Amino acid sequence: AQSVAQPEDQVNVAEGNPLTVKCTYSVSGNPYLFWYVQYPNRGLQFLLKYITGDNLVKGSYGFEAEFNKSQTSFHLKKPSALVSDSALYFCAVRDFNYGQNFVFGPGTRLSVLP
Amino acid sequence: EAQVTQNPRYLITVTGKKLTVTCSQNMNHEYMSWYRQDPGLGLRQIYYSMNVEVTDKGDVPEGYKVSRKEKRNFPLILESPSPNQTSLYFCASSLSGALVPEAFFGQGTRLTVV
Repeated sequence: AQSVAQPEDQVNVAEGNPLTVKCTYSVSGNPYLFWYVQYPNRGLQFLLKYITGDNLVKGSYGFEAEFNKSQTSFHLKKPSALVSDSALYFCAVRDFNYGQNFVFGPGTRLSVLP
Repeated sequence: EAQVTQNPRYLITVTGKKLTVTCSQNMNHEYMSWYRQDPGLGLRQIYYSMNVEVTDKGDVPEGYKVSRKEKRNFPLILESPSPNQTSLYFCASSLSGALVPEAFFGQGTRLTVV
C-alpha cells in the first residue's frame, strides 16, 4: 500500500534562510511525487512534481525538490525563504501500479519569521 | 480558464437535512476525487472516480454518497448530515495517464452541521 510521511508538523525558518520540508514515501511501483501548498482559506495549489529523470526538480515560486530513491524521500527546498512562503505544505504520491489513486501526507506548516 | 469549481463555498445546515456539494471541472479529466480536511488529520479521501459511472470508496466514505453521470461533474451527497461531518471539503481532478499526473483542486467548501 502507498503511504506518505511528513515527519515535522511545523517548520520555522527565518526570512532569507534556506528551508527544507521533509517527505518520505512508500509505494509498490515507480513513484509519481508531488508537492502542494495551501494558503489560508484556499485550495491546494500544485508546486512541482517528479516523474522520472533528474533527481532535482524545479517548481513554482522558486521551490525545488530532491528525489532520493534509496532513501525514499522527496524533500522540498528553497534557497531563501520569504515571509509569504508561510503556508501548509502537502507531499503526495500517485502509484499508477496501484489504482492511480493519490495519497497525501499529513501536511507541514511552514512559518517564515521576519 | 482551466479550473475545478465547487459550490457552495460555505454552508451551514442542520442535522439530518440532505445536502449536495457540487464539483465541476472543465479539463476533460477522467479522475475525480473528494477529500475532507480536518485539523491534525490532513487530507482524507472520501470517494474517487476513475471515469463516468466508475466510483470507489476512499478512506472515510461513511455517511457520504457520490455519483459520476457525466465526465465533468462529481457531486458529493450527504443524505443525513451529522455534526461530525463538519469539515472543509475539497474536490480534485486529474488525467488518468502518467503524462500529466498532477491533481487540480477546487477552492473548498466549508461545511458546518449544527
